[in-house]
Formats: sequence, structure tokens, C-alpha cells
Amino acid sequence: NAGVMQNPRHLVRRRGQEARLRCSPMKGHSHVYWYRQLPEEGLKFMVYLQKENIIDESGMPKERFSAEFPKEGPSILRIQQVVRGDSAAYFCASSISGSSASTDTQYFGPGTRLTVL
Amino acid sequence: AQSVAQPEDQVNVAEGNPLTVKCTYSVSGNPYLFWYVQYPNRGLQFLLKYITGDNLVKGSYGFEAEFNKSQTSFHLKKPSALVSDSALYFCAVRDIGDDKIIFGKGTRLHILP
Repeated sequence: NAGVMQNPRHLVRRRGQEARLRCSPMKGHSHVYWYRQLPEEGLKFMVYLQKENIIDESGMPKERFSAEFPKEGPSILRIQQVVRGDSAAYFCASSISGSSASTDTQYFGPGTRLTVL
Repeated sequence: AQSVAQPEDQVNVAEGNPLTVKCTYSVSGNPYLFWYVQYPNRGLQFLLKYITGDNLVKGSYGFEAEFNKSQTSFHLKKPSALVSDSALYFCAVRDIGDDKIIFGKGTRLHILP
């Protein structure tokens, strides 16, 4: 059973360009979470999605960032007009279920390291 | 509001000695608690979690953690450290009724040969 897949592993963008990060959850998992890790810091929650629904986006910046998890295909984290401060590692996690009563573990992908020049 | 504190940025332990990585938490209700490990340029690997029941939780690679409700702590322990245990360790908490995990800043563990 393959784990959580993320691509690309490394992404370099110039200021003003768009970054698209992809996440395929573990087989059988329908809940996806995105986290951002700045250098020498812990992970910060960004957004929680189920298929075709955003459940909690309380950690997403109000502008330039968006996320989706379509019925078919991977979850996408999209950053428009990137700035240097967006440089970070972006991790995706998935779980079998994700309700607030769930005790399921979140399993993490290897991350995408975004560098903005 | 939920929070997690890992008071030590770095812990150094000689190989073969017992290790402890400290974690304290703050939640409004009953917590779900987790430990994850991160190796260089890799994602987080799940080590163990506490949901309910026995306060001593056993996890992967010989690690265990003890839930102490009165001290609001969830310290990670291992009886005998290996050099390969050197990595960045994250404690995390999730409040019952919430769907997001809150992570501590991490503790870098160095096992000295």
C-alpha cells in the first residue's frame, strides 16, 4: 500500500509565478490536510479537505492561496503570485476519516519544498 | 486554544543511554496526543498516539510515551538510544471536537556514538 504521494518534491519559482503542489492520499483515505513548515519551525495547519469539499481552511492565508480535492485526481494546493515568504516545505497528510470525533492517524507525505527566487 | 510546548530545542544523549524528549500541552477538553519523527529532507513519520486507556503508549522503533493528565505532559522515551534515532521529533495535539493537529516546534535529538 503506497503511502501519501506528493509531487513535485522540489519546486523553484520566481516571484510572481504560480506554484501548484499535488497530493495523492493513501489508498482508502478520503480526507486530506495541508501543512506548511517554515525553516526551523513546526508544521502549521493550512486546510482540511474531503472529496469536493473544503471542511476547514482556517489556516490558509486569505489571499493567493487556494486548495481543492476533486472527485477524481489528487488534491492541489495552489499559490498564485508567489513571494519569497512563501518559501517553505508543504506537507500533505491523509486519514481514513476526519470527523472531529475521529481517532484516525494522519499519515504524511514526503513534502514539496518550494523555493521562491 | 490548543497549544503544544517542546521546551528543549535540542537533546544530546550517548548511544545506549535512555532518552527523554519532553512535551507539554494545553487543550480545552480531552486531548489526542501524537509523536512524529522527521529525518532530514523527509516527511513526518508517525511514531505513536494516545487516545484513551493505558497512560503508557508503545510505538514504533522501541519508542514509548507516557500520558500524564495532572502534569499535562506526554514525554517521549526510549530505554536505549541508537545513533539512528538522531532526527527531529514533533509532539502534536488534537482536541476532541477539532479536526486539525497542532504541532510543537520540534526537538532535535542527537545520539552520540
